[in-house]
Amino acid sequence: EAQVTQNPRYLITVTGKKLTVTCSQNMNHEYMSWYRQDPGLGLRQIYYSMNVEVTDKGDVPEGYKVSRKEKRNFPLILESPSPNQTSLYFCASSPHRDFSNQPQHFGDGTRLSIL
Amino acid sequence: AQKITQTQPGMFVQEKEAVTLDCTYDTSDPSYGLFWYKQPSSGEMIFLIYQGSYDQQNATEGRYSLNFQKARKSANLVISASQLGDSAMYFCAMRGLISNFGNEKLTFGTGTRLTIIP
Repeated sequence: EAQVTQNPRYLITVTGKKLTVTCSQNMNHEYMSWYRQDPGLGLRQIYYSMNVEVTDKGDVPEGYKVSRKEKRNFPLILESPSPNQTSLYFCASSPHRDFSNQPQHFGDGTRLSIL
Repeated sequence: AQKITQTQPGMFVQEKEAVTLDCTYDTSDPSYGLFWYKQPSSGEMIFLIYQGSYDQQNATEGRYSLNFQKARKSANLVISASQLGDSAMYFCAMRGLISNFGNEKLTFGTGTRLTIIP
């Protein structure tokens, strides 16, 4: 089954304690991206990756890091989480090509609470 | 830059009625794609329907159809014969179809919460 898998689904942690949210896709997609969802703001892109070892900032990258060492994995790292990073996070993937009508496939989301 | 506007924060609709969710957009991209996603209370994002800016016909997928009016820059989602299971948050999103340095970022609206009343 084609899917994007995020872990953990829920996490409550404290300010300053490093955490990693993992994301893995089994569709051999080149493009992967992280979004955060906040009430009244929709989803906003944090970071994206066009392929292995190619990553770049989205609209709200401050406080986050990513890596793309393998095609299937795209972890999101919060080195020193702060309460303003409390949010619902989504990983998404899609084939990378121009004029593509292929939708991005989303993981089930990770709800982070930073106390 | 791209912008999506969804002006209906919430809607209540009687079961079996049709419902239209509004979406207007703004973009400088010559070619773009418009997407609708459904987010039920469980939180996942479910792709519903896609419309390309170059498509001659409005997209349809089962009970979902997209009323695409390019000159008005609107892409409204129409759900026919609504069901209780349609109660969810609905997001309109868009992206340019010519690679913007490879970023296929989706720009999302703020969403419409649809509640179907029995």
